[in-house]
Amino acid sequence: EDKVVQSPLSLVVHEGDTVTLNCSYEVTNFRSLLWYKQEKKAPTFLFMLTSSGIEKKSGRLSSILDKKELFSILNITATQTGDSAVYLCAVEHTGTASKLTFGTGTRLQVTL
Amino acid sequence: EAQVTQNPRYLITVTGKKLTVTCSQNMNHEYMSWYRQDPGLGLRQIYYSMNVEVTDKGDVPEGYKVSRKEKRNFPLILESPSPNQTSLYFCASRQGLTEAFFGQGTRLTVV
Repeated sequence: EDKVVQSPLSLVVHEGDTVTLNCSYEVTNFRSLLWYKQEKKAPTFLFMLTSSGIEKKSGRLSSILDKKELFSILNITATQTGDSAVYLCAVEHTGTASKLTFGTGTRLQVTL
Repeated sequence: EAQVTQNPRYLITVTGKKLTVTCSQNMNHEYMSWYRQDPGLGLRQIYYSMNVEVTDKGDVPEGYKVSRKEKRNFPLILESPSPNQTSLYFCASRQGLTEAFFGQGTRLTVV
């Protein structure tokens, strides 16, 4: 059975801290891994990773994929209260382009 | 503006009363999906469609139907809703190897 596991489930940090969110997966026919941020309602796209070892970066957020060890991390540096959200990891399977399996998410709360 | 539009945003209904949640995208995407999101279970795929008249079951299809008669629309139909279908529903669309764009969600309560 395809599985995507995120950790931790939840964390609370102070503004300015750096956090690392984890996503491990066991899926057949892996194609890509996607990170989303979900604040109030609809998830918004952050990164798509297809190749091992290549870091994707956007401002204070960065992510990297390890296809050998089957995991990805999402780093957020100098966290701000606006980073408070649920971060979702999803894995896409080949053969069926619309098949995404999501993890349960990591709830991040950034306090002043 | 590129968007996925779901309606209604909130719905409270009674057990057994058929309902439809509409989803429309303006990006000419081929792929569309429906998900439900429940606490502790994350987003789970209900149905997906790879193109007009091509649909397939996701991980939790029981109790749901879909249709894809036009490229832009992908309605979700609950023929006889039950309380265990109370959830937050998302429609999403994507084109090829790109990210999925999500609608704003429909919070459904079945009493």
